[in-house]
Amino acid sequence: EAGVTQSPTHLIKTRGQQATLRCSPISGHTSVYWYQQALGLGLQFLLWYDEGEERNRGNFPPRFSGRQFPNYSSELNVNALELEDSALYLCASSPGTDTQYFGPGTRLTVL
Amino acid sequence: DAKTTQPPSMDCAEGRAANLPCNHSTISGNEYVYWYRQIHSQGPQYIIHGLKNNETNEMASLIITEDRKSSTLILPHATLRDTAVYYCIVRVYNNAGNMLTFGGGTRLMVKP
Repeated sequence: EAGVTQSPTHLIKTRGQQATLRCSPISGHTSVYWYQQALGLGLQFLLWYDEGEERNRGNFPPRFSGRQFPNYSSELNVNALELEDSALYLCASSPGTDTQYFGPGTRLTVL
Repeated sequence: DAKTTQPPSMDCAEGRAANLPCNHSTISGNEYVYWYRQIHSQGPQYIIHGLKNNETNEMASLIITEDRKSSTLILPHATLRDTAVYYCIVRVYNNAGNMLTFGGGTRLMVKP
């Protein structure tokens, strides 16, 4: 069974640009979670999507947004990039509210 | 979700059992104990979870004390590839917010 996949693996942007990160959940999983892990810090919850709807969001500014598509894949958009947005962005999927399984992450570097 | 306390680091000899403790003294009756690990710069990997009974799978065993205030993750025959940061989390299933909160974890170093 294929796991959670994320693309791209690495992304380099400059300040003020926009970044789009993509996530494909495990087949049959309807929930997608996005987390940010900055260097030396723990996981910070960003967004939770289930059945195409945003269910909850963490303490991040509105320039962090996303959506979930009918096939349950998801994308995270970060507008007006700032240097401190440099981090590992992790996507996790679960069948509803059950165990979350993580993807390999996208390393975003903002120069 | 209840708070957990883990030692910041541990060493283990290759081939020996690694026993990673976790305290969760404020755990409530409907909270599960979850373990994940994260190898450097990779996504966290789910290991095992349990509610009250001890659990075992192909990766590890989870021993939960009778009062549920602490647990131990056991890797029966540690290998060098088990070197990682191990996170113990307690969480309840609900529809209000299922985000995971990872604390500092235990950095396990498996040595030859």
